[in-house]
Amino acid sequence: LAKTTQPVSMDSYEGQEVNITCSHNNIATNDYITWYQQFPSQGPRFIIQGYKTKVTNEVASLFIPADRKSSTLSLPRVSLSDTAVYYCLASTGYSSASKIIFGSGTRLSIRP
Amino acid sequence: GAVVSQHPSRVICKSGTSVKIECRSLDFQATTMFWYRQFPKQSLMLMATSNEGSKATYEQGVEKDKFLINHASLTLSTLTVTSAHPEDSSFYICSARDEEGAPAFVVAEAFFGQGTRLTVV
Repeated sequence: LAKTTQPVSMDSYEGQEVNITCSHNNIATNDYITWYQQFPSQGPRFIIQGYKTKVTNEVASLFIPADRKSSTLSLPRVSLSDTAVYYCLASTGYSSASKIIFGSGTRLSIRP
Repeated sequence: GAVVSQHPSRVICKSGTSVKIECRSLDFQATTMFWYRQFPKQSLMLMATSNEGSKATYEQGVEKDKFLINHASLTLSTLTVTSAHPEDSSFYICSARDEEGAPAFVVAEAFFGQGTRLTVV
């Protein structure tokens, strides 16, 4: 399991695009990058996952450069409800038994 | 998407008593479930891996006799905090992957329960 490093916290304003970068220098060839979101007193929720280049879904985009040593979660036009902790994970696991180990996460605060 | 449900969502117990927390996969079968503990302002810490029909695998430093895990069916895992003490007060979260629902050779999305807030008084 590759160690990931993220900023401890970030602040932004409603309507802005927020980019959270995660460093995973020791990522393995088979590792995927997955981002989760967690609101207070709730379990984490899957946001997006990718292996390389760019992945986009209805809530976010994930940019992964060719060397895969980092990744950036992009949240377009954030709102107050995007205030949460965001976790970046780099893990291998085609099996349901593969562990999911969380790093410190980034506490994102959105202001009006 | 798949749903993982925990019960209860909140429990208060007296010091020295035991508390059982249930984790159910509602629309998929989970041969493996994971239990986490989270203290305020901290990240999730993996406690153990629950395996259906066999013994759980505990992370280093987690007391297996204190945190009893039973995974008796493909949709239910339970965590029992035995002889609870105030320092066991925490937010406990379970998760499972819907492996069958994932494309081949992709890390299957993990689904998390809503968590159980345990307060030991």
